[in-house]
Amino acid sequence: GENVEQHPSTLSVQEGDSAVIKCTYSDSASNYFPWYKQELGKRPQLIIDIRSNVGEKKDQRIAVTLNKTAKHFSLHITETQPEDSAVYFCAASIRGATNKLIFGTGTLLAVQP
Amino acid sequence: SAVISQKPSRDICQRGTSLTIQCQVDSQVTMMFWYRQQPGQSLTLIATANQGSEATYESGFVIDKFPISRPNLTFSTLTVSNMSPEDSSIYLCSGVGQANTGELFFGEGSRLTVL
Repeated sequence: GENVEQHPSTLSVQEGDSAVIKCTYSDSASNYFPWYKQELGKRPQLIIDIRSNVGEKKDQRIAVTLNKTAKHFSLHITETQPEDSAVYFCAASIRGATNKLIFGTGTLLAVQP
Repeated sequence: SAVISQKPSRDICQRGTSLTIQCQVDSQVTMMFWYRQQPGQSLTLIATANQGSEATYESGFVIDKFPISRPNLTFSTLTVSNMSPEDSSIYLCSGVGQANTGELFFGEGSRLTVL
């Protein structure tokens, strides 16, 4: 089955700096790669996703890149703000088949003001 | 989008007892899943809840321990049976919306503490 690895496990940046979180997946059939943000005590919420037919997607300060050949994808947050502090999870699934999401281990991002 | 409600939001349970978590969705979802999130950990998929039939369990999870029902498109239950302290966790219900974009919506979670 699918296995998703994520790193780093913790990341501390200064406000205004960029943050990058990386994930690798094992199942070449996976075709959908979302990123979720989970604030303390809250439910995970989707912040951006990318499908396997696209190499990059951007939404304001966040972007995701996908390298299908290497089976890895990354989340990029620019101009970080204190409210970006949270745990971020990457995930992978086979959309259109099982649709079940397998999550990475998570990255605790701390943005220092 | 889909709004997913769970209850109870939290509970403290005694070892050896069972607890059923209910999950209600405000609109139809194509697929529903149950996840477990242990403190400070990632989300681990327990099973896919199949409407009107037995759930599909992931490796390491069995029906006797985590029986799941899904009688219709908007409701599902997860029972944690014969609980032990190792079952202390947050249990999250989730669903893929009818638009089937792949986006997974989550309930607020049910935090169980087993003494």
